[in-house]
Amino acid sequence: DTGVSQDPRHKITKRGQNVTFRCDPISEHNRLYWYRQTLGQGPEFLTYFQNEAQLEKSRLLSDRFSAERPKGSFSTLEIQRTEQGDSAMYLCASSRGWGGGNNSYEQYVGPGTRLTVT
Amino acid sequence: DQQVKQNSPSLSVQEGRISILNCDYTNSMFDYFLWYKKYPAEGPTFLISISSIKDKNEDGRFTVFLNKSAKHLSLHIVPSQPGDSAVYFCAGQTGYQKVTFGTGTKLQVIP
Repeated sequence: DTGVSQDPRHKITKRGQNVTFRCDPISEHNRLYWYRQTLGQGPEFLTYFQNEAQLEKSRLLSDRFSAERPKGSFSTLEIQRTEQGDSAMYLCASSRGWGGGNNSYEQYVGPGTRLTVT
Repeated sequence: DQQVKQNSPSLSVQEGRISILNCDYTNSMFDYFLWYKKYPAEGPTFLISISSIKDKNEDGRFTVFLNKSAKHLSLHIVPSQPGDSAVYFCAGQTGYQKVTFGTGTKLQVIP
């Protein structure tokens, strides 16, 4: 148990529908990251937050994707007008970040949300 | 652009023997390197890390070696146990930013 939780664990949706995923990081972690993993590949970076500020977005994050972390605690990732190519495992990770002491760069990954778009 | 490469998709090792998982990288800006272990239907679990200023880090049965001149790192598991069977991801990280993962090596430890 890494301490990062994600909800839901599985989501099946029809093409064109909107979906929203939630991530709760480890409580003292101020950095939160989203990754996407497809079959046979390693996780790929989508975006990350320092507290409530979104600091970087990948080119993978098209206009249909939006992520928020409104109070610097939990985060949501929304996909609008889903496409079959969005089917993947969406992973959330957190770290203590700058000033967090030794090894504060280490990212702990949650169990993921598996999205299937039919 | 594959910045982190794991060229062996799979590896089989007898229980009790040493498992060596290899990883090459191209990004000289990585400050840290991390190894994650992943079981089916679960997210990757952090295993061990090493700073780019070190050449070795050890944690129990797991040791990571870094050769910066060769841009190569390896994870040694001694002795290997059946519960170590999983997919192992090597990753590089610059500062406190995103982690760049390799494609993974599937380790099978045979009892």
